[in-house]
Amino acid sequence: GNSVTQMEGPVTLSEEAFLTINCTYTATGYPSLFWYVQYPGEGLQLLLKATKADDKGSNKGFEATYRKETTSFHLEKGSVQVSDSAVYFCALSDRASGGSYIPTFGRGTSLIVHP
Amino acid sequence: DAGITQSPRHKVTETGTPVTLRCHQTENHRYMYWYRQDPGHGLRLIHYSYGVKDTDKGEVSDGYSVSRSKTEDFLLTLESATSSQTSVYFCAISRDPGNTIYFGEGSWLTVV
Repeated sequence: GNSVTQMEGPVTLSEEAFLTINCTYTATGYPSLFWYVQYPGEGLQLLLKATKADDKGSNKGFEATYRKETTSFHLEKGSVQVSDSAVYFCALSDRASGGSYIPTFGRGTSLIVHP
Repeated sequence: DAGITQSPRHKVTETGTPVTLRCHQTENHRYMYWYRQDPGHGLRLIHYSYGVKDTDKGEVSDGYSVSRSKTEDFLLTLESATSSQTSVYFCAISRDPGNTIYFGEGSWLTVV
């Protein structure tokens, strides 16, 4: 079956530090890949996505590149801010049995940014 | 923001009672999902729907049932609530497979 593996958190950084959150996946088909962000007390919201190999998704200074050869979609940001403190989820969407796409999420990585 | 409303947002109930959570969308999206979120487990899919009256089980469906009689509404029922079902429940929608999933704000359920 499909699965997504994210690095364990929390990740603790100082403001303006470089961020990398690793994400690898297994899928039977050719999935779309996503990063979602969850702020305290809220639902998840899309941060960025990529639908085919070598695509780069980007938003709000965050980037991730769809690497089919390494089955990875690592999230990066060059300079984090305190406001980036949140939980980040890597996810994929692929065709499951019966023709329905089932989204699969990683367990989430908590990011804490200190001033 | 996607038009997704979950109700109730917070509920405390007693063990053994039935509970229904409602998800209402105004986006006319075909796919709807119910997830639960628990510390150490991330998001886990309970049930999903790919059309009116078309539903299927997710990875943690035991003790839960769903119904979708209209495109806009997806109901999650805990048939006899247990303390292990204390959780935050999220409804989500998507237009089609492989596309962005939009989440509701969550329903906090406590079973005492």
